[in-house]
Amino acid sequence: GESVGLHLPTLSVQEGDNSIINCAYSNSASDYFIWYKQESGKGPQFIIDIRSNMDKRQGQRVTVLLNKTVKHLSLQIAATQPGDSAVYFCAEMPTGNQFYFGTGTSLTVIP
Amino acid sequence: KAGVTQTPRYLIKTRGQQVTLSCSPISGHRSVSWYQQTPGQGLQFLFEYFSETQRNKGNFPGRFSGRQFSNSRSEMNVSTLELGDSALYLCASSIRQGLNTEAFFGQGTRLTVV
Repeated sequence: GESVGLHLPTLSVQEGDNSIINCAYSNSASDYFIWYKQESGKGPQFIIDIRSNMDKRQGQRVTVLLNKTVKHLSLQIAATQPGDSAVYFCAEMPTGNQFYFGTGTSLTVIP
Repeated sequence: KAGVTQTPRYLIKTRGQQVTLSCSPISGHRSVSWYQQTPGQGLQFLFEYFSETQRNKGNFPGRFSGRQFSNSRSEMNVSTLELGDSALYLCASSIRQGLNTEAFFGQGTRLTVV
């Protein structure tokens, strides 16, 4: 099966600081990636996506960086807020409509 | 526009029983995928349905099955439940927007097998 892994299972940041969550993927054929945020008791919520023909995409306070050479994906959250505390998953789509998810990184924002 | 609705939210079953979970996708979405989420395992893909046909399947035993109806609603069935089947079962509906596929998840059904 596919392998999507995260470098750090937990991350704690001070409110107002920037957060960086990393993800490694294994399938070089993957051409579409999504970051999801999952709060306790809720389903994963779409944050931002990126296609393999891009190396950077920005949203509101979030930026996704894709390095295809080393098969690495990162999510940057600017000015992290307490409401950003959640588990973050990266997902890759190598073929069809099937996503492969990493195990997740738990982000804790310290007020 | 209503989101993805999963019912029931919580379920407790006994080993050996069978269970059926339901998912109503976002209106207009024809693709429905099911995932199993357990602590430390992330989301494991079960299967995907599109236009009432199973289009993709993950590496789960045959005890896990599903179907999709003409209105795109989907059901997932697990027979002969085992303790290890305790998990959060998530349904995602998706629609292709150009080259991208945005998948939207429901709240999930928390299944506990005792």
